[in-house]
Amino acid sequence: DIVMTQSPDSLAVSLGERATINCKSSQSVLNSSNNKNYLAWYQQKPGQPPKLLIYWASTRESGVPDRFSGSGSATDFTLTISSLQAEDVAVYYCQHYYTTAWAFGQGTKVEIK
Amino acid sequence: EVQLVESGGGLVQPGGSLRLSCAASGFSLSSCAMSWVRQAPGKGLEWVSGISGSVGTYYADSVKGRFTISRDKSTNTVYLQMSSLRAEDTAIYYCAKGKYSGDLSPVACWGQGTLVTVSS
Repeated sequence: DIVMTQSPDSLAVSLGERATINCKSSQSVLNSSNNKNYLAWYQQKPGQPPKLLIYWASTRESGVPDRFSGSGSATDFTLTISSLQAEDVAVYYCQHYYTTAWAFGQGTKVEIK
Repeated sequence: EVQLVESGGGLVQPGGSLRLSCAASGFSLSSCAMSWVRQAPGKGLEWVSGISGSVGTYYADSVKGRFTISRDKSTNTVYLQMSSLRAEDTAIYYCAKGKYSGDLSPVACWGQGTLVTVSS
C-alpha cells in the first residue's frame, strides 16, 4: 500500500507570510496514461469535516481562494498558502487516490505566529 | 444540493457490533463510488472502506474481515456494518462522496460524521 508522509507536523507563520507544506508518497501516484497525479489536499478546521482544496495535485476546487496552490509530481508534492490569513488556521492533509486503497498523510497543523 | 447524513454511532462494548448509515440526497447512489473515512479523537484521517459504482468493495487492512460496506439503491443509503469492534475503532466516522463517478476520485462531499465509542 502507498504511504503518505507530510512535513512538517506543524508550523507557525505570521499573517500575510507564506506557508509551505510538503507531502511525499512511498510510490509514484502519477498515472502515465493520462499524465495526472492522483493527489489531493484537504483543510480541516476543528469540529468540521475536511474540505477539498486541491485535486490532481494542482487543480483548485471551485470557491477555494487563489492564495492556495498545489504543485509537484510523482512522489513529491507541496501545498502553498501564499499569504496566510487568520481563517487559514487548520490542519491540512494530503491524500492519494491512485488506488482504491486511499491513504492520507498524518496532517500538518498551521497556526499563526 | 448534495448532502450526506450519517447516523448509527454510539457506545458499544468491545467485541460488539454496530451499523452506520449514510443517507444521501441531491444525487443517486446507483452509479457513485462512496467511502467511509474515520478519525480517532485528536488524530488524523484514516480511510476505512469504499464501494464502487458497480460491484467492487474495498477495505483497509485494519478492518478487513470485520467491517462490511453495502448500498441500498432504493433508499439511497450506504451502510457500514461493523463487528468484533475494538477500542482502536473508536472514532468519528465520515461518509464521503467522490467528486467524480469513478472509483479513483478525490472527496468532494463529506458528511458531518457520527461518533463510535468502543469501551466497556
